[in-house]
Amino acid sequence: DQQVKQNSPSLSVQEGRISILNCDYTNSMFDYFLWYKKYPAEGPTFLISISSIKDKNEDGRFTVFLNKSAKHLSLHIVPSQPGDSAVYFCAAKGGKAGANNLFFGTGTRLTVIP
Amino acid sequence: EPEVTQTPSHQVTQMGQEVILRCVPISNHLYFYWYRQILGQKVEFLVSFYNNEISEKSEIFDDQFSVERPDGSNFTLKIRSTKLEDSAMYFCASSEGRDNEQFFGPGTRLTVL
Repeated sequence: DQQVKQNSPSLSVQEGRISILNCDYTNSMFDYFLWYKKYPAEGPTFLISISSIKDKNEDGRFTVFLNKSAKHLSLHIVPSQPGDSAVYFCAAKGGKAGANNLFFGTGTRLTVIP
Repeated sequence: EPEVTQTPSHQVTQMGQEVILRCVPISNHLYFYWYRQILGQKVEFLVSFYNNEISEKSEIFDDQFSVERPDGSNFTLKIRSTKLEDSAMYFCASSEGRDNEQFFGPGTRLTVL
């Protein structure tokens, strides 16, 4: 099952700079996308989401961009802070009518260097 | 802030034994879910539950698995006869509505020996 892919297993960014995390999907029926952050020994924490009818959603330092034609979304964090260091998961839902389950990517480990 | 809680944090069991993983979803949430993450792999959907019945389940959720909401607060996942490959982190999640964000618990690490 490779419906949601995060091709970069890790990313390192200097504090204060922009972090860009990428996610690709294959199922054109996905209509809702989410980003979760996960610290070790904790469950995924919801960060931000976007509906397929939008191409951008912003919440403070976090912005998610959706390019439906390319089946690609990205999460921008600016400015990056050391506390942002975690594993970030992209997730999608809506793969079939009425489906509410999430499909997750494999995650990208972000390290923000002070 | 309300949160999803799970117990135990770590469960060790012998192959073939039954285990019950417990979750307390956020109190005003109506949709409940179980996911699992095998070490080094993706978080995978197992089952969703609404109005006291399963609304959706994945291929992983076979006859060895069952879910129950035994009272007004708990949501449980039972594995009837554990196998080695059931070793994973099991996450419970809940959402207020069908289209609302799912909030996850801290997980239960299940180790099957």
